[in-house]
Amino acid sequence: AQSVTQLDSQVPVFEEAPVELRCNYSSSVSVYLFWYVQYPNQGLQLLLKYLSGSTLVKGINGFEAEFNKSQTSFHLRKPSVHISDTAEYFCAACSTGGGNKLTFGTGTQLKVEL
Amino acid sequence: NAGVTQTPKFQVLKTGQSMTLQCAQDMNHNSMYWYRQDPGMGLRLIYYSASEGTTDKGEVPNGYNVSRLNKREFSLRLESAAPSQTSVYFCASSEDRNSPLHFGNGTRLTVT
Repeated sequence: AQSVTQLDSQVPVFEEAPVELRCNYSSSVSVYLFWYVQYPNQGLQLLLKYLSGSTLVKGINGFEAEFNKSQTSFHLRKPSVHISDTAEYFCAACSTGGGNKLTFGTGTQLKVEL
Repeated sequence: NAGVTQTPKFQVLKTGQSMTLQCAQDMNHNSMYWYRQDPGMGLRLIYYSASEGTTDKGEVPNGYNVSRLNKREFSLRLESAAPSQTSVYFCASSEDRNSPLHFGNGTRLTVT
């Protein structure tokens, strides 16, 4: 079994500023890692995923995340945010042999202000 | 391409009533899932179906039943609703075990 911790429940940031949303995981086995975004009154959409290979993963809307095995982290970053990035962001993990049974973090609400 | 469609969008039940949440996907995906989302708790897996004809319990299955009617449809049933089941329910599907999930827009359920 694995667990996912998102350390910040809310992150306020000004438009055009950089942002980092933190995610740590714990697992006794190898994991796949994902970031999803949820806009108000919608389902979750995939931002990016790490399955294997390069530890720096680029996703949609200019987001990227870096897998750090030694620190068991998968932080999400964007160099310059836009108002439209205001949403809730979820980190998720599943074991590589776990049949896509994702474990989600509790979410981080990103609020971009003018 | 509609993706994952959930019905209804909203529902209010009285304690003890039953209802079925419907989910259908048109992407020919093998796996389907039901999650509930509660404030401060993220999404928790209720049941999943790895392939047509199979279903398995997730993290919080108590009080729910599921049916994988065919490859397209995966329904979630509450036999006797309780206030603790007030939540937003999401259905999702994926092509296979390593593929990302595609989510519906959710069903907001209130049990009074």
